[in-house]
Amino acid sequence: GNSVTQMEGPVTLSEEAFLTINCTYTATGYPSLFWYVQYPGEGLQLLLKATKADDKGSNKGFEATYRKETTSFHLEKGSVQVSDSAVYFCALSDRGYIPTFGRGTSLIVHP
Amino acid sequence: GAVVSQHPSRVICKSGTSVKIECRSLDFQATTMFWYRQFPKQSLMLMATSNEGSKATYEQGVEKDKFLINHASLTLSTLTVTSAHPEDSSFYICSPLGGDGAKNIQYFGAGTRLSVL
Repeated sequence: GNSVTQMEGPVTLSEEAFLTINCTYTATGYPSLFWYVQYPGEGLQLLLKATKADDKGSNKGFEATYRKETTSFHLEKGSVQVSDSAVYFCALSDRGYIPTFGRGTSLIVHP
Repeated sequence: GAVVSQHPSRVICKSGTSVKIECRSLDFQATTMFWYRQFPKQSLMLMATSNEGSKATYEQGVEKDKFLINHASLTLSTLTVTSAHPEDSSFYICSPLGGDGAKNIQYFGAGTRLSVL
């Protein structure tokens, strides 16, 4: 079956540091890949997505590239802010609107 | 953006009692509702999918008689955990599907943390 593995948190960084959150997946076929973000007290929000190999999703300074050869979709941001503190979920979907989620990675950014 | 209201955000109950979780889409209609569960340090796991006015479709291993889902209107769905036990303690998240066909978007509630004593 499908599965998503992402690095365990929490990831703790200082403001303006470079962020990488690793995500790898297992799937049959060619799924779409997603990153969701959950800010404290709020629901998950779609952050970015990529639907085919070599696509790069980007939003709010975050980006991730769909790497079929390494089955990865790592999330990166060049300079994090305190307001980026949240839980980030990697997910995949090959059933339309029913993603398979990773466990989530908590990001804590200190001033 | 679309607003999803999930209530309560946290509930503590005694073993054997039933707990109802409400999920409302405040500014859009949701013909389809997904319910997820997340155990500590685990992934969100899809429990069931419901369409307005129809019986829910449960994922393998999810007891339909224990987790009652009602999707009676396009803006409200409820999940009732019946005769809750400590092993039901988890984080439950609703996810309404909104949009108009080609532009359907999956939204999420903020979640309900259930603790069964």
